[in-house]
Amino acid sequence: SQQGEEDPQALSIQEGENATMNCSYKTSINNLQWYRQNSGRGLVHLILIRSNEREKHSGRLRVTLDTSKKSSSLLITASRAADTASYFCATVPLRNTGKLIFGQGTTLQVKP
Amino acid sequence: ETGVTQTPRHLVMGMTNKKSLKCEQHLGHNAMYWYKQSAKKPLELMFVYSLEERVENNSVPSRFSPECPNSSHLFLHLHTLQPEDSALYLCASSHSGRARDTQYFGPGTRLTVL
Repeated sequence: SQQGEEDPQALSIQEGENATMNCSYKTSINNLQWYRQNSGRGLVHLILIRSNEREKHSGRLRVTLDTSKKSSSLLITASRAADTASYFCATVPLRNTGKLIFGQGTTLQVKP
Repeated sequence: ETGVTQTPRHLVMGMTNKKSLKCEQHLGHNAMYWYKQSAKKPLELMFVYSLEERVENNSVPSRFSPECPNSSHLFLHLHTLQPEDSALYLCASSHSGRARDTQYFGPGTRLTVL
């Protein structure tokens, strides 16, 4: 069964606004990672949060993890047109080290 | 650039053709991966190699045949594919294949099967 599911599937905002994407998963995890993909290209790793962490920051990115609810959120602050991309969460299940299970992603459009 | 290259970037093939996708990583990593990304579906892990040994085969049909001759190179040999195999095929590498590793992705090969 699919591990990570993102919400919303698509998001359209104006430049300067904040964008929040959510991810839910089903089984216990070792860590959760967020990736970004520009149209038709490879994925770029954004941030990794371990199961014993609750929040992590990287530049304009803020990731939270709630293991009791099996959910994570990615917040992009002060969005830019260049942030337009698809964003995926991926989980590493507790018993399968190194195996990433991806959700379907959130497509973010930032309008200039 | 992530340090992972893939060739070709685009490939169109008939169902009776045999072709190969190539991936090369310049990061000194020991684990390499093949993923399939189809429209409207999550990224699917196909194969994992760690230290040139296949450690994961995610129920992939035998018409896909991976090869890892050394830790820097990974191939995906294709034969008698079906139109539903049309997708973006992504290669990735990581330091050791462990849970805490970040995976670095190549740009992908866009495959169209006629």
